Amino acid sequence: GENVEQHPSTLSVQEGDSAVIKCTYSDSASNYFPWYKQELGKRPQLIIDIRSNVGEKKDQRIAVTLNKTAKHFSLHITETQPEDSAVYFCAASTGNEKLTFGTGTRLTIIP
Amino acid sequence: DTEVTQTPKHLVMGMTNKKSLKCEQHMGHRAMYWYKQKAKKPPELMFVYSYEKLSINESVPSRFSPECPNSSLLNLHLHALQPEDSALYLCASSQWGGAGYTFGSGTRLTVV
Repeated sequence: GENVEQHPSTLSVQEGDSAVIKCTYSDSASNYFPWYKQELGKRPQLIIDIRSNVGEKKDQRIAVTLNKTAKHFSLHITETQPEDSAVYFCAASTGNEKLTFGTGTRLTIIP
Repeated sequence: DTEVTQTPKHLVMGMTNKKSLKCEQHMGHRAMYWYKQKAKKPPELMFVYSYEKLSINESVPSRFSPECPNSSLLNLHLHALQPEDSALYLCASSQWGGAGYTFGSGTRLTVV
């Protein structure tokens, strides 16, 4: 089955700096890659996703890049703000309903 | 309506109790899911319903019993749970093929 690895497990950045979280996947049939943000005690919320026919997608301060050959995808957050502090999960799917999640990255923005 | 609604938000139950978790969505999504999430871990898939039929059961113990009465509702019946079953139980829904995956706010379950 699919295996998703996520790094780093914790990340601290100064407010205003950029943060990058990386994930690798094992199943070359995976074609859908969402990213979720989960604040303490709350639900995971989809923040951005990308499909395998696209190399990059951007939404304001958030961007995701996908390298199908290397089977890795990354989340980029620019101009970080305190409210960006949360746990971020990457995930991968082959297009059926099953999402395989990475282990999560705890991002802390230092004011 | 772009939400998945879960009730109750919190539940404390004894090991001999029977309780049910409920989930509702009105986005026309045809796939609905139950996940279990322990602290500091990613969500773990338990069950998937596609078009109201159980399509994936991730070898979940029989003390967890899912039910999909219609395309908008998903239940999880609980019986004879163990303390290690204490966790956040998340419902989610999506369009066919996984697009628009949306999580509910969860039920925090404590088994005593």
